[in-house]
Amino acid sequence: SQTIHQWPATLVQPVGSPLSLECTVEGTSNPNLYWYRQAAGRGLQLLFYSVGIGQISSEVPQNLSASRPQDRQFILSSKKLLLSDSGFYLCAWSVALASGNTIYFGEGSWLTVV
Amino acid sequence: GESVGLHLPTLSVQEGDNSIINCAYSNSASDYFIWYKQESGKGPQFIIDIRSNMDKRQGQRVTVLLNKTVKHLSLQIAATQPGDSAVYFCAERYTGNQFYFGTGTSLTVIP
Repeated sequence: SQTIHQWPATLVQPVGSPLSLECTVEGTSNPNLYWYRQAAGRGLQLLFYSVGIGQISSEVPQNLSASRPQDRQFILSSKKLLLSDSGFYLCAWSVALASGNTIYFGEGSWLTVV
Repeated sequence: GESVGLHLPTLSVQEGDNSIINCAYSNSASDYFIWYKQESGKGPQFIIDIRSNMDKRQGQRVTVLLNKTVKHLSLQIAATQPGDSAVYFCAERYTGNQFYFGTGTSLTVIP
């Protein structure tokens, strides 16, 4: 069966520090991968999605970036965090089928920028 | 981008009653919809999905209804239990790889 792992689960980072959140998917090949952010009491905002290695689409211009160095690995990064980057970050994956593909989420990473 | 919204941000129901959570979507080209349940501090969990060529789909204690005429989606939970307390999101897909989510409805089940 397919599983998705995301880490770290929680982190507290000072303003201006770098960020790296990592996500891996097991049990499937060539998945679509996503990064979402959820601010407190808000919905899910799509940040990045990827249909393959090295292929990243950005939804929202910001100081975050994403990379996909391997087929089942998706990394969310920042060189300098802002207070507004605080939130709950969710990695997700879906099967790359045109006929319909449910999206499955990891357990999330809580980021607090202080 | 297109918006997916929920009519009621909070909903309280008595244990054993049926719950109905509503969602409006704005893109008539959306072809696939999903309902998720999110418990506090966790990632959303898939509940049930429905394609645009259907108007109803049933799962275990849950039913999703799709009305394309008015672009409305609903989730019905039968015999609501305390474990159903969570935030529920609807999501729409209107391009091959992108999903967009509503803000969520918080369901509280009163024992």
